[in-house]
Amino acid sequence: GDSVTQMEGPVTLSEEAFLTINCTYTATGYPSLFWYVQYPGEGLQLLLKATKADDKGSNKGFEATYRKETTSFHLEKGSVQVSDSAVYFCALSDPNNDYKLSFGAGTTVTVRA
Amino acid sequence: DTGVSQNPRHKITKRGQNVTFRCDPISEHNRLYWYRQTLGQGPEFLTYFQNEAQLEKSRLLSDRFSAERPKGSFSTLEIQRTEQGDSAMYLCASTKQENYGYTFGSGTRLTVV
Repeated sequence: GDSVTQMEGPVTLSEEAFLTINCTYTATGYPSLFWYVQYPGEGLQLLLKATKADDKGSNKGFEATYRKETTSFHLEKGSVQVSDSAVYFCALSDPNNDYKLSFGAGTTVTVRA
Repeated sequence: DTGVSQNPRHKITKRGQNVTFRCDPISEHNRLYWYRQTLGQGPEFLTYFQNEAQLEKSRLLSDRFSAERPKGSFSTLEIQRTEQGDSAMYLCASTKQENYGYTFGSGTRLTVV
């Protein structure tokens, strides 16, 4: 079946530090990959996505590249801000599973001023 | 585009009571999904609809749970005879294209006391 494994948190950083959250996946089909962000008390917001190998998704300074050879989709940001404090979820959508989203457990990121 | 709307935002109920949640998807989105999220975990798939047809129910969903989407518009999720283990955030999402990425609502947080 499909599964997503992401780096355990919590992660605490200082403002302007570099952020990396590792994500690897297994899927029976050729999935699309996503990063979602969840702020306290809110639902999930799509941060970025990639639908095929070597695609790079980017948004708000965050980037992630779809690496089929390593089955990975690591999230990176070069200089974080306090407002980036949130829970980040890696997810996949597998055509062999009728495109239902499968999520990782989430990584809590706290950025300190 | 007013986004995905969920009501209520919070619900506290006594064990054994029935509760019903509502989700209003984005109007042109024909797929609607329900997920459940417990503290510190990623969302877990519960069920989904293509228009008014319920296509799949997760094995996580006991017989106490039922979902409907009359006329392919809004959806309701009912939990009968609630148990403390039902306490969670219930998330609704909709999408127009299966691998495009879902739009999530803010969720309904259920607390069973």
